[in-house]
Amino acid sequence: LAKTTQPISMDSYEGQEVNITCSHNNIATNDYITWYQQFPSQGPRFIIQGYKTKVTNEVASLFIPADRKSSTLSLPRVSLSDTAVYYCLVGDFISSGSARQLTFGSGTQLTVLP
Amino acid sequence: EAQVTQNPRYLITVTGKKLTVTCSQNMNHEYMSWYRQDPGLGLRQIYYSMNVEVTDKGDVPEGYKVSRKEKRNFPLILESPSPNQTSLYFCASRKLANPPGEQYFGPGTRLTVT
Repeated sequence: LAKTTQPISMDSYEGQEVNITCSHNNIATNDYITWYQQFPSQGPRFIIQGYKTKVTNEVASLFIPADRKSSTLSLPRVSLSDTAVYYCLVGDFISSGSARQLTFGSGTQLTVLP
Repeated sequence: EAQVTQNPRYLITVTGKKLTVTCSQNMNHEYMSWYRQDPGLGLRQIYYSMNVEVTDKGDVPEGYKVSRKEKRNFPLILESPSPNQTSLYFCASRKLANPPGEQYFGPGTRLTVT
């Protein structure tokens, strides 16, 4: 089971780019890396997913180095509404037909200041 | 609209009184899961199910039961609730695919056991 480590909290200002790094030293070959965003008292919401190198969508980029032992979520030009907890999740369901648990870490509380 | 629904959204009960929290998804997803969220501990998986009649324990299964008799429903059962099960509960679902894609989370059920 891949354990993840993220910073507990980060502060940023509106309009800045924010990078949140997640360490996952024991990531398995079949594991994907997924990031979720959660607002208070709401369910987590999918942001982005990747396996290696770089993935970009309309809201974020995900950078994964060649050894895949870490990943960085990049949020361009954050706004106050990006204040939330961000979770890095590592895991996979299709491993020789066997089920694998997915474990969320404690997440990173991002606070965007005006 | 694709969604995961949970009921009830809020529940206050007493120690020992059996309760069931329902979860339903309308996306024909194979995988469903229950999480609990407590301050400072992030999201912890209770049980998950790969498909109908296939369930397995997550990180914190003690005191909980689940069943998966139909693909769309995955109820969480607390046979004898205790105060340490006071928490915010989330149900989630996703397709079994490669890449894994996103998990869709329900709105949450806030349970208080007195």
